[in-house]
Amino acid sequence: QKEVEQNSGPLSVPEGAIASLNCTYSDRGSQSFFWYRQYSGKSPELIMSIYSNGDKEDGRFTAQLNKASQYVSLLIRDSQPSDSATYLCAVIGDNYGQNFVFGPGTRLSVLP
Amino acid sequence: EAQVTQNPRYLITVTGKKLTVTCSQNMNHEYMSWYRQDPGLGLRQIYYSMNVEVTDKGDVPEGYKVSRKEKRNFPLILESPSPNQTSLYFCASSGSGSWNEQFFGPGTRLTVL
Repeated sequence: QKEVEQNSGPLSVPEGAIASLNCTYSDRGSQSFFWYRQYSGKSPELIMSIYSNGDKEDGRFTAQLNKASQYVSLLIRDSQPSDSATYLCAVIGDNYGQNFVFGPGTRLSVLP
Repeated sequence: EAQVTQNPRYLITVTGKKLTVTCSQNMNHEYMSWYRQDPGLGLRQIYYSMNVEVTDKGDVPEGYKVSRKEKRNFPLILESPSPNQTSLYFCASSGSGSWNEQFFGPGTRLTVL
């Protein structure tokens, strides 16, 4: 059974700080990794995707992947209260690219 | 407007009464999926479809059926619902050009008594 693990939180950070969200996965053959944001009562929306080891930056968001350690993280710089949400880590393990496995999510609270 | 729609948005039913949750997308996407979301368990994939008449099981397919007779529609069928299928259900779609970017529907909250 493929597993994706995240700390459930809540993770609280002050406004303007860096929020660091972590995710580990069990399937060493996993190829594609995603971070989704889900506001309370809403559907998930894609923030970042990453496929290669290293860092990928998009605005205030940086995704980091380390396949050897089976670890992927999301850094949010200059955190804003509007970033308060649950962040879901997702992994694709199969060749077809549609068998998504999600982690339970980390709830982030950015305090004004 | 590009979107994924689901109906109904809320449903309360009783054990054993067959039901269908519809999902439709207007983006001409090849790929569609159904998920359930439960507290502490996150999103779990029920079924997915690569194209018309092509479907495959996700991680929690027991008690569910799907069909993909048209590209835009991907209904989820519960032949004999049970209380453990009480959950929040999401449909999602993505296209072959950006196969990994899933667009999610608004969700269907199902309660089985």
